[in-house]
Amino acid sequence: QSALTQPASVSGSPGQSITISCTGTSSDVGGYNYVSWYQQHPGKAPKLMIYEVSNRPSGVSNRFSGSKSGNTASLTISGLQAEDEADYYCSSYTSSSTYVVFGGGTKLTVL
Amino acid sequence: QVQLQQSGPGLVKPSQTLSLTCAISGDSVSSNSAAWNWIRQSPSRGLEWLGRTYYRSKWYNDYAVSVKSRITINPDTSKNQFSLQLNSVTPEDTAVYYCAKGNWKYWFDPWGQGTLVTVSS
Repeated sequence: QSALTQPASVSGSPGQSITISCTGTSSDVGGYNYVSWYQQHPGKAPKLMIYEVSNRPSGVSNRFSGSKSGNTASLTISGLQAEDEADYYCSSYTSSSTYVVFGGGTKLTVL
Repeated sequence: QVQLQQSGPGLVKPSQTLSLTCAISGDSVSSNSAAWNWIRQSPSRGLEWLGRTYYRSKWYNDYAVSVKSRITINPDTSKNQFSLQLNSVTPEDTAVYYCAKGNWKYWFDPWGQGTLVTVSS
């Protein structure tokens, strides 16, 4: 059981927008602005897409955006493209001795 | 541009030691702003942060409670790399192991290519 809760799957058609949620507690997501999001294609390493809740690394499309409200963080992908089909993971700093916790992952299907 | 290249065996026998190395290019293992991490991924446990090493005038390590009694992460400044050793492995330690560069904001970029380690006799 992962520390952060994500939906197992989401889907959308090309051009549409989708949002993936990531729910934690006040000890992690709600307590710190250290939420990050990763994209993982099959057989590949995770790739950083969003850091510190809403910042995009250089080279990541502006179709990807992040936000947070209370204990829930969200990743929104607008203008869905076939190449966005992948697994997405959230992560957060935690005040527990674990330091970092991850979500269980969300499989995005582009219909 | 930082790149991480992992190496090490893909098969380890139960009760033995898992050893992996992560070679760094484009940065220094002795950087005062980076932390060098090991993370693993398995179907049963998902993504799991294992630990890190970092240099702030001296070397420090942090380890996840779940593996703290069995894990060692060491820097090698002469080769600009860092290593993971996990002792007394069981089949539960079967996973894809990643090294990753981190920082004090707890995000990871980039990641190594990953190494599938299977614990089996």
